[in-house]
Amino acid sequence: SQQGEEDPQALSIQEGENATMNCSYKTSINNLQWYRQNSGRGLVHLILIRSNEREKHSGRLRVTLDTSKKSSSLLITASRAADTASYFCATDGDNAGNMLTFGGGTRLMVKP
Amino acid sequence: KAGVTQTPRYLIKTRGQQVTLSCSPISGHRSVSWYQQTPGQGLQFLFEYFSETQRNKGNFPGRFSGRQFSNSRSEMNVSTLELGDSALYLCASSLDGIQETQYFGPGTRLLVL
Repeated sequence: SQQGEEDPQALSIQEGENATMNCSYKTSINNLQWYRQNSGRGLVHLILIRSNEREKHSGRLRVTLDTSKKSSSLLITASRAADTASYFCATDGDNAGNMLTFGGGTRLMVKP
Repeated sequence: KAGVTQTPRYLIKTRGQQVTLSCSPISGHRSVSWYQQTPGQGLQFLFEYFSETQRNKGNFPGRFSGRQFSNSRSEMNVSTLELGDSALYLCASSLDGIQETQYFGPGTRLLVL
């Protein structure tokens, strides 16, 4: 079963605009990760944020984490056509090991 | 470093057959996890291996099994294939700790006819 829900399920924007995707999860976590997937290919790791962090940046990406609300957001600034992909959040829950539980994903389309 | 590699990339099988998928992790990584991705169920965890031992297991039937070798390479096997096993199977590797970044391979797309 999926722990997370992502919102929106699909997002269409123009190049240069910002894209915001949200993720909610159900159980306590140690960290939350965001991944990108291009058209049925492998997942590319974008960023990992730990439960004691509230915000993290990587290039044009900004991730926030609110553990009290069990939610996270991914902001992509100045989007490009190459950012067109599906974006997934994944949480580790409280399991021992590297088991990740994924959300349903947000399909982002950036129009040139 | 080379990334995670998976073979084969594409596979077509018929119901009742069995299949073995292979995953080579990033050099130095000792944890290998497997995930199934389908349009209906999304990404679901199958199992994780660390130092040749299964460390975690998802909610899949016993037809799904795996193993890890001493060089950290991993294989997963699906016996008595069903139509619903058609999916993208993704392998991910990480270092020897827990709750670490996982790096995914390109996946093996399995079609069961």
